[in-house]
Amino acid sequence: GAGVSQTPSNKVTEKGKYVELRCDPISGHTALYWYRQSLGQGPEFLIYFQGTGAADDSGLPNDRFFAVRPEGSVSTLKIQRTERGDSAVYLCASSLWRSYNEQFFGPGTRLTVL
Amino acid sequence: QKEVEQNSGPLSVPEGAIASLNCTYSDRGSQSFFWYRQYSGKSPELIMSIYSNGDKEDGRFTAQLNKASQYVSLLIRDSQPSDSATYLCAVTGAGNQFYFGTGTSLTVIP
Repeated sequence: GAGVSQTPSNKVTEKGKYVELRCDPISGHTALYWYRQSLGQGPEFLIYFQGTGAADDSGLPNDRFFAVRPEGSVSTLKIQRTERGDSAVYLCASSLWRSYNEQFFGPGTRLTVL
Repeated sequence: QKEVEQNSGPLSVPEGAIASLNCTYSDRGSQSFFWYRQYSGKSPELIMSIYSNGDKEDGRFTAQLNKASQYVSLLIRDSQPSDSATYLCAVTGAGNQFYFGTGTSLTVIP
């Protein structure tokens, strides 16, 4: 079946602009995760959804970052007033709730803030 | 102290040798442990999961877990050039978060 998909694959924006990154999880996966990965680092947890609700958003760096999953499937990560330090690859992953958290990653969105 | 620590490498092994990758974690309550492979410019790919002490084998890969020592390792037998990648250790913490290490870069030399 289809894996996790993310759009866009690349996003270039200017400092101060607003961006939205989209994630479409594997069909039937109830858990969805957002991560941020900088060069040479492991993925850094941002937020986790179980169904429609954010079960844990403790990784969001500040209030410029927000994520939604209104129907329990597709999720959107929203970044306001982007800063150059937001430049990174944003990864989305999904998992079956009962599969001991084996997460499957999408291809990522590379965000560049000029 | 970081939640998950890995030697960043780079680790170089000749083709056909055994590659040994190590990871330590800080949360004694962690229950689930994973190894991901990440090729340059690509997203992480799950290769092994382990949940109980001991060894788990899958093809050329063996994961080893020692909860008392808070240590998890990955052995790759008969290493191939296509195994050259960064290997990420991940551990589940409280609240279903994943904590990733910074990864170990492996190069298999033909």
